[in-house]
This record gives sequence, C-alpha cells and structure tokens, in this order.
Amino acid sequence: DADVTQTPRNRITKTGKRIMLECSQTKGHDRMYWYRQDPGLGLRLIYYSFDVKDINKGEISDGYSVSRQAQAKFSLSLESAIPNQTALYFCATSVGDTDTQYFGPGTRLTVL
Amino acid sequence: DQQVKQNSPSLSVQEGRISILNCDYTNSMFDYFLWYKKYPAEGPTFLISISSIKDKNEDGRFTVFLNKSAKHLSLHIVPSQPGDSAVYFCAASADGGTSYGKLTFGQGTILTVHP
Repeated sequence: DADVTQTPRNRITKTGKRIMLECSQTKGHDRMYWYRQDPGLGLRLIYYSFDVKDINKGEISDGYSVSRQAQAKFSLSLESAIPNQTALYFCATSVGDTDTQYFGPGTRLTVL
Repeated sequence: DQQVKQNSPSLSVQEGRISILNCDYTNSMFDYFLWYKKYPAEGPTFLISISSIKDKNEDGRFTVFLNKSAKHLSLHIVPSQPGDSAVYFCAASADGGTSYGKLTFGQGTILTVHP
C-alpha cells in the first residue's frame, strides 16, 4: 500500500464549483504540505502544516483553503474553482526536523 | 522571484554517457539541497541530498556537487540509463528565516536518455 495517498486522482470540474482534494498518509509524519505543479514553474507551495493545530500559507495560497483533520489527513479546498487552477496537485509529508519530503501520486485537476 | 533556478528545460544524453543537471540558487540562507526525480503520472521521489557543510555526496551512479561560493549545484548521473529518463527537480531549504521547514523547488529539467 502507498504511504501517501491522494483522492481523487483525476477530476474535471466547472468554474465556480467547490472542490476538495484529500490526502492521507500512513508514514506517521507530523508535517504535511500541498503543492501545485504547472509546466515551466516547478512545484509551488500552497499550504503547509507542521502539526494538527498548525496551518501556514505558502507562496500561492490565494483561492485555496486547507484543513488538517488528523495527523494523517490534510485536505485542500478550492471554494470557487477557476480555470487557472487547472494543474497537478501534490501532497507531501515529512517528519520533524528532516527536510526530505515524500510525495503522493498527485491529482490532475481540470477546471472548465 | 525564483530563488531556485534550473535554466535548462531539457537534456538529451546517450545511454552510457554522463548526464549533468544544473541548478542555481539566490538565497544565501539555503543550507540543504535535494534532488527529486519524477516519472509521468507519479509523484516526485527523493533521489539524493547534500548539506552545505559538504561539497560532494555520492550514491551509486548519482553524485551531487555543491559550490557555495557560486550558489550552484549539479547532479551527475554516470552511466546514464534509459530508465533515468524523467523530470529532475532540485530543491533547497533553510534552517531558519522564512524558508524554514519548507522546500523551494526549481522549474525542473526533462532528461531523456537514448538507447
């Protein structure tokens, strides 16, 4: 079984719809992250959480919100999706003071 | 402001030869550097890392070199194999400041190894 799972893997939605992407991990890591990947821009950090009660904005948090429901679960919401939020979304985890992050398989989101 | 830059969008190499992927950074607070490999339809996977107290780290066919004065790091793959064809991202982190606990990624380089 994968250590970091993301659901759904693919999603097509319409402008203005609310959508939630979910991430679960069995690695027992305390830190979780959400990134988006766009061609030519690499991975950019949306939100991150160092523990259940800690939520921080990344470099591109506008239009997104997150919820850390438990140590193992971190969800990303788009309250009102817009076409320029079409991208690959990745969840990642890490432990304590180590810098190495472990990524899920990604969610391909298309906003029409 | 792109703090980590991979200026070559793509690289093509013959099987058995050396692949050299480059990365430059601007933030002098960065003190830990990582390389990730990404295959299509998968998430990035950790490949190799280096601390700023070192200038070289080796793991099998993969070696990362760090030149702090030039704010430059490179990943060498020797010998290159077709299975190495993927997108390679460099990333950096800092032990303090606004980059603490976060990774800043470059744009990625697509490596193609031809048989």
